[in-house]
Formats: sequence, structure tokens, C-alpha cells
Amino acid sequence: EPEVTQTPSHQVTQMGQEVILRCVPISNHLYFYWYRQILGQKVEFLVSFYNNEISEKSEIFDDQFSVERPDGSNFTLKIRSTKLEDSAMYFCASSRPGQETQYFGPGTRLLVL
Amino acid sequence: GDSVTQMEGPVTLSEEAFLTINCTYTATGYPSLFWYVQYPGEGLQLLLKATKADDKGSNKGFEATYRKETTSFHLEKGSVQVSDSAVYFCAPRTYGNNRLAFGKGNQVVVIP
Repeated sequence: EPEVTQTPSHQVTQMGQEVILRCVPISNHLYFYWYRQILGQKVEFLVSFYNNEISEKSEIFDDQFSVERPDGSNFTLKIRSTKLEDSAMYFCASSRPGQETQYFGPGTRLLVL
Repeated sequence: GDSVTQMEGPVTLSEEAFLTINCTYTATGYPSLFWYVQYPGEGLQLLLKATKADDKGSNKGFEATYRKETTSFHLEKGSVQVSDSAVYFCAPRTYGNNRLAFGKGNQVVVIP
């Protein structure tokens, strides 16, 4: 069964550094999402992406964040200058047109020191 | 925006016990409702869903009924197994929005 994959599984970075988290959505899906879960807190929506543009974003998704679909398979989340409070598990998800169900990847655990 | 309230605290119970996890939501319009499960070390997996009032979602012995009058979507399982130990998240999604509004999740620990 097709799955959403994410790389890396873990990333440790220094405060102020840029990080890029990568996702490969399910191949016939056209809607893509990023969520994050700070340790001990709820899963929070960051952004959704469709037709090569952001379709919705939350108040968390400020100018430090950007998303891109650089080719036909990858979907990336970039954090330009990481802060300590960006430490979290980041989940990518995708869905098919006309289907509400979002399928999640296993997550990338980001630790900012 | 949409929001969810899940009952506080982890749930610990014995194998074959009855499980209930409460979920109430606030949303504009008539959302679709989802339960996701996160097994240890894994990502979020869809457990079940319901898209309109009085619908019952079911999967792997779990059930939840969309109750519009009480804005609730409580999750139940009649006889849990050790393999059901996981974190369970309730999430509404309002039609026309992209985001799932997750609750805090409930850690369920089933002991043999």
C-alpha cells in the first residue's frame, strides 16, 4: 500500500541554522500538508499546498517557513533560521482530490540546540 | 476556528476491558470527524471517520458515532488488546477548510 515517506527521521541543528524537511507524498495525491507536534502538545496545522501554491496557512506559519514542490515527487518544508521553539515532530500529509482523508508520514523529529 | 476537547489524562486499562475516549468539538458548519491513532514510534494513521450526523465510523473493533446535537464523537471499543496501546487523536475538518484541528490526544495503555 502506498505511503507518505519523510526524511530525515531525526535532525539536530543549531539555533539560527536553516533546515529543510523532505516528504514524498503518495503519488496520485494532489493536496499536501505540514503539521507539527511539540513534545507533550497537540498536533498543529502549519500549511496546505495545492496546484503549486499555498492554499491555507496557520498563524504559526510565518516568514521563517516556506514550502516547495521542487519536482514531481518531493514536497519540502524549509525553516530559514531555526529557533529553540521550532523543536518538534513535523508531519507531512497528503490527500487525493475529492477525498477528505489525509494520509500522514512517520514524521521528522527536529531538535534545535 | 475549529477546536476539539478530549478528556484529560492517560487511560490505563486491562486487556478485554471496555474503552471510551470522549471527544467534543466546536466547528462552523457541519464538519467531517476523524479519529487518528499514533502507535509508539510511528506516524498518525486514520482509524475511522464519519462525514455526517448520525453516521457511525468503525474499524478494528473501534466505533464512533457523529452526534450533532451534542457535538461529540466519542470513541469506543468493547474489548481492548495490548496492541491497542497508542495515542488517539480526535480531529474535525470543516468543509472548505484544509486543516484538521487535532485534540491533545489520549494515551491509552492496555496491560495484560
